[in-house]
Amino acid sequence: AQSVSQHNHHVILSEAASLELGCNYSYGGTVNLFWYVQYPGQHLQLLLKYFSGDPLVKGIKGFEAEFIKSKFSFNLRKPSVQWSDTAEYFCAVNRLTGGGNKLTFGTGTQLKVEL
Amino acid sequence: KAGVTQTPRYLIKTRGQQVTLSCSPISGHRSVSWYQQTPGQGLQFLFEYFSETQRNKGNFPGRFSGRQFSNSRSEMNVSTLELGDSALYLCASSTGTGLTQETQYFGPGTRLLVL
Repeated sequence: AQSVSQHNHHVILSEAASLELGCNYSYGGTVNLFWYVQYPGQHLQLLLKYFSGDPLVKGIKGFEAEFIKSKFSFNLRKPSVQWSDTAEYFCAVNRLTGGGNKLTFGTGTQLKVEL
Repeated sequence: KAGVTQTPRYLIKTRGQQVTLSCSPISGHRSVSWYQQTPGQGLQFLFEYFSETQRNKGNFPGRFSGRQFSNSRSEMNVSTLELGDSALYLCASSTGTGLTQETQYFGPGTRLLVL
């Protein structure tokens, strides 16, 4: 069965520190990749996505992610985090077999940014 | 454009009852997907509807069902509720027509508590 792994479950950083959250998925074939964020009390919001082309994608709020096909990875990065980045981050994969939507999510990473 | 809306936002039911949740997609979106979010299992895909037809299905028992109307609004039904059905149920919509490049946008969810 397909799976998505997020290695860091809880991350605590100080403001201005750099962030990298890991995401790996377990199968080959064509995929669409996403990072979603859930701020406290808010609904899931799209941070960024990868469909094809340039493996380095940029999203909102200064986030970026790099797709490395050989490593089945899609890691999220931000050079300098802010207190407002405190949230839960989810990696998600849509396996393009048969079309449509069927996102498989990682377990999430709870990020806390301290002042 | 208004986002995905879900009603009701909160619901309390007792074991054995059934429940219906509603989702209105973003205007122009024809695909609606449902996900269950729990602390233990994370985010899990239930099913996707497109043009009033179920297009993809997750691994949930038959007690979970859904439907989509001609205006793309969708309902999800859970019969014979169990304590373990307590969760946040999320609806997501996408255009539905870009089979290889679909982006889903999530609603705020319906929080269901089963007593």
